[in-house]
Amino acid sequence: EVQLAESGGDLVQPGGSLRLSCVASGFMLSNHWMSWVRQAPGKGPEWVANIKQDGSEKHYVDSVKGRFTISRDNARNSMYLQMNSLRAEDTAVYHCARNLWATPGDDWGQGTLVSVSS
Amino acid sequence: QSALTQPASVSGSPGQSITISCTGTTSDVGGYNYVSWYQQHPGKVPKVVIYDVSSRPSGVSNRFSGSKSGTTASLTISGLQAEDEADYYCSSFTSSAIYVFGTGTKVTVL
Repeated sequence: EVQLAESGGDLVQPGGSLRLSCVASGFMLSNHWMSWVRQAPGKGPEWVANIKQDGSEKHYVDSVKGRFTISRDNARNSMYLQMNSLRAEDTAVYHCARNLWATPGDDWGQGTLVSVSS
Repeated sequence: QSALTQPASVSGSPGQSITISCTGTTSDVGGYNYVSWYQQHPGKVPKVVIYDVSSRPSGVSNRFSGSKSGTTASLTISGLQAEDEADYYCSSFTSSAIYVFGTGTKVTVL
């Protein structure tokens, strides 16, 4: 069974940093593009970033470029999202997702909550 | 990159068919056959019901179908059932090599 487990979410002050982790089980991470998608409370989902199987290609939504960095460790079947210079508008549940097709994400984890507030 | 435009709400009676539109530009919906649709029930994670404009993942009911004409994609739910009541979001790949979601549509089964 495919499982994705996110962790690392927390309450952080504006300007702070967090590192999210996603551990995959039930499949080989190295075979798939992977993505991060976030959903603010009461809002629709927003695609954040994705990364190619070998980490050689990464893409980001404009609002996080220069602040967030996506990475992966296929040996640990894990993916990460380093988030710096956090803003109130980054508050959301962050989901990691496996890509099977050309979509923002096909199999999603339950997510980890990031709250940015003073 | 602006969000794709969807109607805020669509409703129908059980057994009827409804269609949700998703309007973009030539840089996203109109430029690629990479439109997907998600169904989200309250408190649940979004689930893909259509990918690549009109393909259905294994396990998704054939009552869900997708199409595209120009810069507008559509999701049709036929034989509407109570369990179809949910929020629906479209998404598209874009010329910036990123993905954009739609504004979302609440489907109500009367």
